[in-house]
Amino acid sequence: ETGVTQTPRHLVMGMTNKKSLKCEQHLGHNAMYWYKQSAKKPLELMFVYNFKEQTENNSVPSRFSPECPNSSHLFLHLHTLQPEDSALYLCASSQEATRSGNTIYFGEGSWLTVV
Amino acid sequence: KQEVTQIPAALSVPEGENLVLNCSFTDSAIYNLQWFRQDPGKGLTSLLLIQSSQREQTSGRLNASLDKSSGRSTLYIAASQPGDSATYLCAVTSGNQFYFGTGTSLTVIP
Repeated sequence: ETGVTQTPRHLVMGMTNKKSLKCEQHLGHNAMYWYKQSAKKPLELMFVYNFKEQTENNSVPSRFSPECPNSSHLFLHLHTLQPEDSALYLCASSQEATRSGNTIYFGEGSWLTVV
Repeated sequence: KQEVTQIPAALSVPEGENLVLNCSFTDSAIYNLQWFRQDPGKGLTSLLLIQSSQREQTSGRLNASLDKSSGRSTLYIAASQPGDSATYLCAVTSGNQFYFGTGTSLTVIP
């Protein structure tokens, strides 16, 4: 148990569906992240929120829409995805996004399959 | 842009053997380096964090070293066990981002 909880663990959705991934951290951190992990590729940073403000959008297509209502919760809203978006989506948190010396903590991930 | 490389991509060793995993990075201006373990279908678990001013960190059978000037880190696993089988990733912190390698998939054969 890392203190970062992701739901659902598995999601299958059609290309016209709308769904959301949820992440909650119980560590008192102020920074939260979404990463995408595809087979044989490095982890890809998607979004960074620091004190509820988005500080990084790594050229992510608009069919992925993040939401951070408070420092403990992070959502990734999904709409009209493509089969190539199928991957493991990992949420993470750290004390602050801009401080050095941070340790980053990951959730268990949400496996997304787009059919 | 920072690039992190891990070699080898896969490694298979008999139980009890000592082994070394390698991580290299292109920009030496890092704040720290972390080693993670990832089991199949799971998230990443932090193993060791080395600050840029440190040379090594130890935790149980694990020892990680950092040579910032040459852009290299190693993770040494002593007396490997089947339970060590997993993918090991390294990540460096530059600026406000974490940069990850593609990982080394380790199999320890009983």
